[in-house]
Amino acid sequence: NAGVTQTPKFQVLKTGQSMTLQCAQDMNHNSMYWYRQDPGMGLRLIYYSASEGTTDKGEVPNGYNVSRLNKREFSLRLESAAPSQTSVYFCASSASNYGYTFGSGTRLTVV
Amino acid sequence: EDQVTQSPEALRLQEGESSSLNCSYTVSGLRGLFWYRQDPGKGPEFLFTLYSAGEEKEKERLKATLTKKESFLHITAPKPEDSATYLCAVQGPSGNTPLVFGKGTRLSVIA
Repeated sequence: NAGVTQTPKFQVLKTGQSMTLQCAQDMNHNSMYWYRQDPGMGLRLIYYSASEGTTDKGEVPNGYNVSRLNKREFSLRLESAAPSQTSVYFCASSASNYGYTFGSGTRLTVV
Repeated sequence: EDQVTQSPEALRLQEGESSSLNCSYTVSGLRGLFWYRQDPGKGPEFLFTLYSAGEEKEKERLKATLTKKESFLHITAPKPEDSATYLCAVQGPSGNTPLVFGKGTRLSVIA
């Protein structure tokens, strides 16, 4: 089982460029999440999707958009990247009442 | 607002020196408290879920306990391979409520 797969693993963007982070899970989970992790800040929720067809904002949604393409896939888009969006991005999925399964992360640097 | 505070931020132990990590929380209706382990450059890995005060769970050298205000992760006779960052998270009353994470405790076990 692959679990949660994130692509790309590393990315360098210039300020103002756009990109989409991809996430796919093969566990038939209903819920999917995007977090960012910064030194000293812990994991902060950007957006989540409780079920296919729904998305909701988390703690730090500004500058991001998401798409729940189908039950397996949940993408995160940066329309105009800023240096403040330099971070490690984690996608996760879960079935209700169970712990999350995380992907291995995308390390994004915006210069 | 749900909050999770972990202490200490960093802990350095000699191999075999037992200790505990603390996770204090405030949440409106705890559905579950979660512990994760995160190795450098990787996504968090699920360890335990605790649901009610008094509950305990064990896995190898780790034991997690829960009270109404905090959780402890006890590490007995740690080995260097236990070195990692340990994350605590809480979930509010709904099964669809996203987890709120603490900033983690970085554990180093020296041989």
